[in-house]
Amino acid sequence: AQSVTQLDSHVSVSEGTPVLLRCNYSSSYSPSLFWYVQHPNKGLQLLLKYTSAATLVKGINGFEAEFKKSETSFHLTKPSAHMSDAAEYFCVVSEGNYGQNFVFGPGTRLSVLP
Amino acid sequence: GAVVSQHPSRVICKSGTSVKIECRSLDFQATTMFWYRQFPKQSLMLMATSNEGSKATYEQGVEKDKFLINHASLTLSTLTVTSAHPEDSSFYICSARPAGYLNTEAFFGQGTRLTVV
Repeated sequence: AQSVTQLDSHVSVSEGTPVLLRCNYSSSYSPSLFWYVQHPNKGLQLLLKYTSAATLVKGINGFEAEFKKSETSFHLTKPSAHMSDAAEYFCVVSEGNYGQNFVFGPGTRLSVLP
Repeated sequence: GAVVSQHPSRVICKSGTSVKIECRSLDFQATTMFWYRQFPKQSLMLMATSNEGSKATYEQGVEKDKFLINHASLTLSTLTVTSAHPEDSSFYICSARPAGYLNTEAFFGQGTRLTVV
């Protein structure tokens, strides 16, 4: 069975500084990995996904993540935080031929300070 | 990307009544839809997997008689919270995957904030 750990429940950065949101996973098979963002009282928006192609994945809004199999990690980064990036971020692992068992991490709340 | 529409976005109901939430895939067919519940400041918890034309599969601890799921077509799944109580107040989110895709992301609805008074 797969699982996801997001090491930080809350991350606070200043506007214009880098963002790092950590994610570690466990999976019995070659997983697919995703990062979703959720703004207050909204649904989820896909930032990026890894599905066994390039290990460095670029997403929307300047975010990217690197799949490191040896470290079972899929950390999310952005070079320069913007105020609009303040939200909840979820790392998700999925395995199975048709992406069954979509498992969410506990989430990391990102605060961006002016 | 694909669009999933969830309706209503907010609903307030009296204790003891039932509430229906709709989840529609607008531009693709979804053989499988998923229903999640999210408590404040917590992650999404899968409640059930809705399969078109068959019974839903519920996660452990989720009362299937209380949370009725119907997936009558390839574009519509409904969740009915029966005999709602204040503890059922939560944020409910559906998601859907296009049929036939491998390891595709799930597309999420915008969520329904249910308040039971």
